Amino acid sequence: QKEVEQNSGPLSVPEGAIASLNCTYSDRVSQSFFWYRQYSGKSPELIMSIYSNGDKEDGRFTAQLNKASQYVSLLIRDSQPSDSATYLCAVAEGNSGGSNYKLTFGKGTLLTVNP
Amino acid sequence: DAGVIQSPRHEVTEMGQEVTLRCKPISGHNSLFWYRQTMMRGLELLIYFNNNVPIDDSGMPEDRFSAKMPNASFSTLKIQPSEPRDSAVYFCASSVTHTGEETQYFGPGTRLLVL
Repeated sequence: QKEVEQNSGPLSVPEGAIASLNCTYSDRVSQSFFWYRQYSGKSPELIMSIYSNGDKEDGRFTAQLNKASQYVSLLIRDSQPSDSATYLCAVAEGNSGGSNYKLTFGKGTLLTVNP
Repeated sequence: DAGVIQSPRHEVTEMGQEVTLRCKPISGHNSLFWYRQTMMRGLELLIYFNNNVPIDDSGMPEDRFSAKMPNASFSTLKIQPSEPRDSAVYFCASSVTHTGEETQYFGPGTRLLVL
């Protein structure tokens, strides 16, 4: 049974601060990792994907991956109230381009950014 | 371009009734996924199709659930008979599997309440 664990939160940070979201996964063969954002009552939307060890930056978002520790994180710099949402970590076993591309999601961390 | 389209957006039914959820993936996408989301279990993959063929249905809870994809632009998820524990938000997502990054795009979801 593949498992993806996230801090359930809620995580509350002041506006302008750095929000740090963490995720661990159980399946060592996992190759692809994703962070989705889900606003209340809405569907998940992809904000970051990462496939290699290290950091990947996109605007105010940085994803970090450590396959040896089976750990992936998301940092949100200069947090804004509009970042308030549930953040879902997702892990896929297959490589991109394959037909066995199924995601296992964590239960999500609720982030609240206070003005 | 239109995103993933799901219907109905809301469904209230009584225990024992048949429920059919519908999904139209993004044009050109060749993978389609059905998910269920509840507070207790989070977002779970039920079944996914690649090129209209079911690849993995290991997440389908039991024989009461069935899914079909008769063509590249339409899929259904059917629950017969429905039970109160089936109450959840059901998401359909689609992606293109032959590109370097396989972003899954989620539809708006169907909120199902079984009384």
